[in-house]
Parts: sequence; C-alpha cells; structure tokens
Amino acid sequence: EVQLLESGGGLVQPGGSLRLSCAASGFTLSSFAYAMSWVRQAPGKGLQWVSGISGGTYYADSVKGRFTISRDNSKNTLYLQMNSLRVEDTAVYYCAKGAHAGSYVELDNWGQGTLVTVSS
Amino acid sequence: QSVLTQPPSVSAAPGQRVTISCSGSSSDIGNNYVSWYQQLPGTAPKLLIYDNNKRPSGIPGRFSGSKSGTSATLGITGLQTGDEADYYCETWDSSLSEAVFGGGTKLTVL
Repeated sequence: EVQLLESGGGLVQPGGSLRLSCAASGFTLSSFAYAMSWVRQAPGKGLQWVSGISGGTYYADSVKGRFTISRDNSKNTLYLQMNSLRVEDTAVYYCAKGAHAGSYVELDNWGQGTLVTVSS
Repeated sequence: QSVLTQPPSVSAAPGQRVTISCSGSSSDIGNNYVSWYQQLPGTAPKLLIYDNNKRPSGIPGRFSGSKSGTSATLGITGLQTGDEADYYCETWDSSLSEAVFGGGTKLTVL
C-alpha cells in the first residue's frame, strides 16, 4: 500500500525558510518510475500545483527561484526547500505521487498535508 | 485566478445527474490530458478521472469524464449525499510548463 507522510510545516516569519519532507512507503522513489509533486491549498481556497520532479524539475511561476524540490533515494523521501517565504505561501502543502514517470497530472496518491503559516 | 475555469458551485437532488465543466485553452486542455479530483471536507484530494475519461480502480462507474476541444466535463449520476465535495480539474499547461488546476466546484446534494 502506498503511503505518503508529510512533515516540516509550521509557523515562519516572512523572508524565512522551511524544508518540507514527504516520506514515501509502498513504492520506490529512486526507481524514477513515478513523478512526484507538491500541491498546496491556501485556507479556504483551491488547489495549486507548486512543483514536480521526475527526470527533471518543474516549478510554478509563483515559487520559481525560491523553492527547490529534491529527493533522497536512500531515505525514500521527497523534499521541498522553501526560501524567501511570503505571507501568500501560507497553505496546506500536499505531497502527491504521479501514476507514472513524467506524470504531474495523474496524481494517484496523496499525503495528508502539512500546514505552513507565514506570518509576523 | 486559475488558468482553468470551473463553476463555483453546482447542486442537484439525490439520484439525479450533474455535470461540472472545466474550460481552458489550446495550451492546456486543448493539447493535454485532463484529470479530475474529489476533495471531501477536511481530507486530501482523491483521483477520480485521468486521461480525460478513465477511472482508477475503485472509482464507481457513476463518475465519468469527457473532453472536447479546450473544455472537459465531469459527470456524476445517481447522486448521493456522500458525493458532496469540492471537485477540481487539472491538466498540463504546455506554455507555462507547469500543471494547472481549475478553481474548484462545490457540489451540493440537496
């Protein structure tokens, strides 16, 4: 059974940094058989795709240059390093697995989410 | 403001049929597959439809998807109170090189 467990969320001041983690089980990140994505949801708002990694990496314009997606194959864990955080980055951040390599649209498994609050 | 346009809300009675539209452009829906997700209150989204009209295992046949040109549609028949949720469409935007979601549609089963 695929499971995704996010951690690392919390309260941070504007301009600060945070690193989110997503521990995967039930499949192997290092196989490159699956793309992985981060998707966020601001309080009371809709879903926004943030970043994805497969053979390469992709970012939404709103986070490009500030966020970095990566994975540690030895730990079967996905990361999102978030720098220069803004109030508008406040959201629940979900880790999601793509159904196959290069799939940032067919997200077939999701974590429970971790809340990031950017506030002074 | 979302790249893909969905109606903010739809409603129908139990047992009835409802459709939710998702409108885009040639750079997104027009040239890429569409997925649909269901988000029940307080939970993570769940994949309902992928590749425009395919259902993952475990998703009832009451849910269907279609695409025509730059628009996609989610259909739900035999509505149940448990279907009350937010529904989102998603596709890849080839000009932005990023995945994009619709703004979401809240389904109320009256």
